[in-house]
Amino acid sequence: GENVEQHPSTLSVQEGDSAVIKCTYSDSASNYFPWYKQELGKRPQLIIDIRSNVGEKKDQRIAVTLNKTAKHFSLHITETQPEDSAVYFCAASQGDSGYALNFGKGTSLLVTP
Amino acid sequence: GAVVSQHPSRVICKSGTSVKIECRSLDFQATTMFWYRQFPKQSLMLMATSNEGSKATYEQGVEKDKFLINHASLTLSTLTVTSAHPEDSSFYICSALDAGTYEQYFGPGTRLTVT
Repeated sequence: GENVEQHPSTLSVQEGDSAVIKCTYSDSASNYFPWYKQELGKRPQLIIDIRSNVGEKKDQRIAVTLNKTAKHFSLHITETQPEDSAVYFCAASQGDSGYALNFGKGTSLLVTP
Repeated sequence: GAVVSQHPSRVICKSGTSVKIECRSLDFQATTMFWYRQFPKQSLMLMATSNEGSKATYEQGVEKDKFLINHASLTLSTLTVTSAHPEDSSFYICSALDAGTYEQYFGPGTRLTVT
């Protein structure tokens, strides 16, 4: 399938700082970009998503930006808390069906008190 | 959010046997479900798209005769790992698609160990 690159693979921040995770994708027909949070031993949970007709979306401390021209999108978490510690995955839809997803390799975020 | 269940949560089987994993959408009808596998500390790798009433669509490199998918109803998809081998040991996760929002709701996963 098409590639989704995610960076960094690990990220450690102090409580209260911001965290930024970046992803790039290769399929120009992708039009749906969700972000998932997965805690150890648990299922992935959708935290925010963005569609190709929008450049930015915000939900409280979480925001996502999308640059379709450059084919990259980013997750921003502000005022991080220890409970934000988890693995975060970005994903991009396959083609323009908006259904099947290709996932990035994940970012392990650690927020230290 | 919607609830998706998987059964069993853990299974250990001997090499050469087959194992069936069930994925159920408990509170909405899902014409499309997905099957992923996830290796330790790695990403989710899409294996196949399960479509109710039609054949599954497999990703490149995934053997359709080894990983049999059946989506006989709007709330149930099954994945059967046939003639399992130790290299099939992995964490298998399903998701159900809400076609209105594109959101995928994930099951809790099934840990398969082949001895």
